[in-house]
Amino acid sequence: DQQVKQNSPSLSVQEGRISILNCDYTNSMFDYFLWYKKYPAEGPTFLISISSIKDKNEDGRFTVFLNKSAKHLSLHIVPSQPGDSAVYFCAARLYTGANSKLTFGKGITLSVRP
Amino acid sequence: EPEVTQTPSHQVTQMGQEVILRCVPISNHLYFYWYRQILGQKVEFLVSFYNNEISEKSEIFDDQFSVERPDGSNFTLKIRSTKLEDSAMYFCASRQGFDGYTFGSGTRLTVV
Repeated sequence: DQQVKQNSPSLSVQEGRISILNCDYTNSMFDYFLWYKKYPAEGPTFLISISSIKDKNEDGRFTVFLNKSAKHLSLHIVPSQPGDSAVYFCAARLYTGANSKLTFGKGITLSVRP
Repeated sequence: EPEVTQTPSHQVTQMGQEVILRCVPISNHLYFYWYRQILGQKVEFLVSFYNNEISEKSEIFDDQFSVERPDGSNFTLKIRSTKLEDSAMYFCASRQGFDGYTFGSGTRLTVV
């Protein structure tokens, strides 16, 4: 069951440049999308989210873009910093009231080189 | 900032033994979850809990698994008879309303 796909397992970028992390989904009923950042031996930490009725949400260095027709979202980090090196998970929510669970992608390991 | 607390951080158990993983969700949150991540794989949903009962469970959450909120603050996951394939990071999460899922740091369960 691959409803949320992060096809690239890793990404390496130079400090100061843009990082673009991609995510695709198959279920058109997902209503909310979230990005989580995870360091080793820690739980996922919420980063940024976007509702399905929007196409862009920005928070400081982080911007998430949503293309509903393509069932694609991306996270842009500008400028990238070495502290951004972590695993990034894309997650999607199917809202059913109390049963609103998240479906995660496999994650992308981002390495930002100094 | 409020956080979800999980204990223990690491649990080693023998196959066939029972384990209880403990979580203290954020105090005003209403919805509680357990997820797990097998090494090298994606984070998977196990169960959601609301109003003192299970809202939804995945096919992973079979009769060997159970959840409880025994005292209004703790939220526990019990595995009755552990198997080798239960070895994973188990994450507790809670949320209050429409969004804002907050995850704990996880319990690494190792079944030997």
